[in-house]
Amino acid sequence: AQTVTQSQPEMSVQEAETVTLSCTYDTSESNYYLFWYKQPPSRQMILVIRQEAYKQQNATENRFSVNFQKAAKSFSLKISDSQLGDTAMYFCAFMNPDSNYQLIWGAGTKLIIKP
Amino acid sequence: GAVVSQHPSWVICKSGTSVKIECRSLDFQATTMFWYRQFPKQSLMLMATSNEGSKATYEQGVEKDKFLINHASLTLSTLTVTSAHPEDSSFYICSARDWTSGHQETQYFGPGTRLLVL
Repeated sequence: AQTVTQSQPEMSVQEAETVTLSCTYDTSESNYYLFWYKQPPSRQMILVIRQEAYKQQNATENRFSVNFQKAAKSFSLKISDSQLGDTAMYFCAFMNPDSNYQLIWGAGTKLIIKP
Repeated sequence: GAVVSQHPSWVICKSGTSVKIECRSLDFQATTMFWYRQFPKQSLMLMATSNEGSKATYEQGVEKDKFLINHASLTLSTLTVTSAHPEDSSFYICSARDWTSGHQETQYFGPGTRLLVL
């Protein structure tokens, strides 16, 4: 069975700093997707970034980028120039299309951006 | 694009009553919708997978007679909590896949429904 592990329950950084959130996963599949979702205090889940396992190039979305290490089964999220609005819970998730597109979730990392 | 709505956003009901939560994909068609439950400070727990026109698939431990799911159209799925009890109080979230987009693997989430059973 696939598992997703986020080893940092909580992190805090100063505004404008760069922060990296860790995520590791376990799978024997070769075709899969990885996601980072953000859940701010409103509790609305927002897609931050997605990565297709067959793509070697790391995904980027503006200030958000990932470091995808397929062999190490690692999928970390880097947030550059952090902003107060980045304060949220961040969830890493794994998806195998052959499992009816169900997401396997990590426990989440609470990120606090301090002014 | 890819907006999912949920209604109601907040509901308070008496123990023993039934509550219906609606999940709608507003600007796309969703063959698959998912229902989650989230406890405070925890991750999402998948309750069931709902495919349009067929019966929902429930996760182990989820009572299908208590949490009735209907996915009658490509834009609407409903979750009915029957004979609700205080232990059913929780935050319920739906999500939907946009099967017509180039990112069929991505789930888009509704804003959630807070249920309080007194």
